[in-house]
Amino acid sequence: QVQLRESGPGVVKPSQTLSLTCTVSGGSVSSGDHFWSWIRQPPGKGLEWIGDIYYSGTTDYNPSLKSRGTLSLDTSRNQVSLKVTSVTAADTAIYFCARGISSWPLFDYWGQGILVTVSS
Amino acid sequence: DIQMTQSPSSLSASVGDRVTITCRASQTMTIYLNWYQQKPGKAPKLLIYSATSLPSGVPSRFSGSGSGTDFTLTISGLQPEDFATYYCQQSYSTPWTFGQGTKVEIK
Repeated sequence: QVQLRESGPGVVKPSQTLSLTCTVSGGSVSSGDHFWSWIRQPPGKGLEWIGDIYYSGTTDYNPSLKSRGTLSLDTSRNQVSLKVTSVTAADTAIYFCARGISSWPLFDYWGQGILVTVSS
Repeated sequence: DIQMTQSPSSLSASVGDRVTITCRASQTMTIYLNWYQQKPGKAPKLLIYSATSLPSGVPSRFSGSGSGTDFTLTISGLQPEDFATYYCQQSYSTPWTFGQGTKVEIK
């Protein structure tokens, strides 16, 4: 059974960098059949896709982040990481990592999510 | 970006009712449409993909239909565990986008 678990600080100061890690078990981030995504949800609101990363290293980001987001893979640790720079209160959200299927873009496995609050 | 609009935003229904949620895309996208169910404090769960297909383990009371720009999620015989928020998501082109959600509440 594939499991994803997000980890990282729960509070980040404005203008600083948000850094989160997603640890994958029961599956490999090196799989060519899948891609790995981050999706966020402000408290009480809807879902916003942040970006995808493939085993090849190819990435795709939501333009709404205005180039502040970076995804990376650590194949030795089977982890996917997210960094968002210059955060503001608008970046306060529950951050989910998810696995996508390359042949038909959908998100079949999700982590439980981690709440990140941007506050001084 | 493809904008996804769901209706209604919320609805009240009773156990056993038939519930229909619609999702409209701002441009045609054949059948690149997925549905997710989210319960409070939990991650979304894939419910339907490719507009009409059910992943293994999803009860058959859930069904999807539509193509192009207009899609529907139907729950035939609402069960207590179905009270949740439902999101559509287009997988036609990035940025992947979601509808704003439809909250199904107990009447």
